Amino acid sequence: EVQLAESGGGLVQPGGSLRLSCVDFGFAFTSHWMHWVRQAPGKGLVWVSRINIDGNVTSYADSVEGRFTVSRDNAKNTLYLQMHNLRAEDSAVYYCARESRFRGLAADVWGKGTTVTVSS
Amino acid sequence: SSELTQPPSVSVSPGQTARITCSADTLPKQYAYWYQQKPGQAPVLVIYKDTERPSGIPERFSGSTSGTTVTLTISRAQAEDEGDYYCQTADNSGTYWVFGGGTKLSVL
Repeated sequence: EVQLAESGGGLVQPGGSLRLSCVDFGFAFTSHWMHWVRQAPGKGLVWVSRINIDGNVTSYADSVEGRFTVSRDNAKNTLYLQMHNLRAEDSAVYYCARESRFRGLAADVWGKGTTVTVSS
Repeated sequence: SSELTQPPSVSVSPGQTARITCSADTLPKQYAYWYQQKPGQAPVLVIYKDTERPSGIPERFSGSTSGTTVTLTISRAQAEDEGDYYCQTADNSGTYWVFGGGTKLSVL
């Protein structure tokens, strides 16, 4: 069954902006920290960002710090990633992932991803 | 921040044991985690807290640790185990996560 579903990906020009969304169809969104992880074509997984349950504690990879903003709307069970000043190297499949409550610092539920392509 | 180093590829014959290593450049204070990813699919957690296996993951998957190296072992490897495997950990505060570069496992 689908638990996390990302949307909002697409083609954007360098320097442009995009907002990704991730809806949690389960019943425990407000119990979990959440993450964004990306994967460029043919490359490995790269952690992007993390947000706490209340949405007031965030962290970012150095490569996106200052350009990306993670947020969440617990009333809508939705996680967001606002991306500005996009670069070609930001092109990737972006996954949202749920941080486990009982398995340490693991991402135990993942969405299927949404593809972002930055190109002119 | 910690860097995690994995071999790019590992190849075994069906029924053999595959071992995938993940080395940290600093002594880890956090546990390590392992994910399996098959082509076109999202990652799946196969080992957590160095050695624990989530429900639904076959018993042939196991994890171990020695110093700054953690190892994912797949006993009696099967064709269905082919895919990319990633180790993951976090900094001491758990704030910043990092993935290894990934290892492509071939069972042939």
